[in-house]
Order: sequence, then C-alpha cells, then structure tokens
Amino acid sequence: AQSVTQPDIHITVSEGASLELRCNYSYGATPYLFWYVQSPGQGLQLLLKYFSGDTLVQGIKGFEAEFKRSQSSFNLRKPSVHWSDAAEYFCAVELNYGGSQGNLIFGKGTKLSVKP
Amino acid sequence: EAGVAQSPRYKIIEKRQSVAFWCNPISGHATLYWYQQILGQGPKLLIQFQNNGVVDDSQLPKDRFSAERLKGVDSTLKIQPAKLEDSAVYLCASSFSGRSNTQYFGPGTRLTVL
Repeated sequence: AQSVTQPDIHITVSEGASLELRCNYSYGATPYLFWYVQSPGQGLQLLLKYFSGDTLVQGIKGFEAEFKRSQSSFNLRKPSVHWSDAAEYFCAVELNYGGSQGNLIFGKGTKLSVKP
Repeated sequence: EAGVAQSPRYKIIEKRQSVAFWCNPISGHATLYWYQQILGQGPKLLIQFQNNGVVDDSQLPKDRFSAERLKGVDSTLKIQPAKLEDSAVYLCASSFSGRSNTQYFGPGTRLTVL
C-alpha cells in the first residue's frame, strides 16, 4: 500500500541554522512528490513538487528537496532558517493510476520550531 | 486571484447532531477535494469531484457523510449524525484538473463534536 513516513514529529532549530526534514515513501510506480507547509489556522501551501527530471527541485521561500529513488526519500532542506518558517510541514505522494488520479497521500507531518 | 473559500471556520456541535460545510473553489478549477485532518495527522482524502461527478469516494464513511457539488462549482460536505471521532479540520482543495496539478487548499473548518 502507498504510504508516506515522516520520522520526525517535532524538530527545533536555531534561527540561521540549516534544516533538513525527512520523508520516505512507499509507492510502486514513479512517484509524484510534494512538500506542503501549514501555518497555525491556515490551509496548506505548496512549497515544491517533483514529477520527473532533475532530482533536486527548488521551491518557494528558499526551500529545496532532493529525490533519491534508491532510498525512497524526498527530504526537504533549507540552508538558513528564519523565525517565520516555524510551522508544520507535510510530505505527500500523488496517486496517479486508475480512478485515483490526483489524490494525495500525506505523511503525519513534522512540526518545526525555531529558536531565536 | 481569490483562493479557496470555506465556511464556517469553526463549528461546535453535540454528537448525533448534523453539520454542513461549504467550499467555493478557485474559479475555473474542475477538480475539488475534501480532506479530513485529525489532530496530529496529515490530511486524508474523503472525496474527489471532477466537475460535478464523483471520481473517488472510497474513503468517505457513507453511512454518515455525504457530499455534493452542484453545477460543478461550490460543494457541501455533510455529516449526519456526527460522532466524537469526527472532530477534525475539514479541508477543501481545488485544482485545474486532477493528475499532476497543484492542489490549492482553503483555510479549513475546525469541527468539535462534544
């Protein structure tokens, strides 16, 4: 069955430090992968997506993610975290077969706290 | 460009009562999704519409949940009767079409069932 695992429930980093959020997926076909961010009381906002091609994808707000097929991973990175990045981050895989085209399977999320 | 609109933002009801949520997608978006997000978890798809037809409702608890999308635009999600475990945030999303298209999410409706 398709699934997404985000091993870290909560991460705290200092402002200005680098960040890496982990995501592992289980999916039989070539995955379409996404990272979304959710601030308190807000809906989800797309940070970046991977469909094919270059395995390093750039997103908004200075985020990037690298697709590694051999490790079934799609980790999110940012070189220098800002206090405004404090939020919850969700990794997702898109189902792209049969009648479930476009449906997203989400991980449980990683909550990011930023220390001043 | 206006985003996905949802109302109400918050709703508190007692178990066995009924409740309805409304969603207005981005103009021109053919695909509309309803997700349920329980505290501490990621969103889970309940139902997907393509225009006014249902594409996938395999995870919708049909004994108590129903949804419709009249005229292929606005949508309503109803719960009747509500259970305690239905307490969650209900998110609506829309995309231009289904596959490989970015889904844009509304702010959600937070439902508390007492």
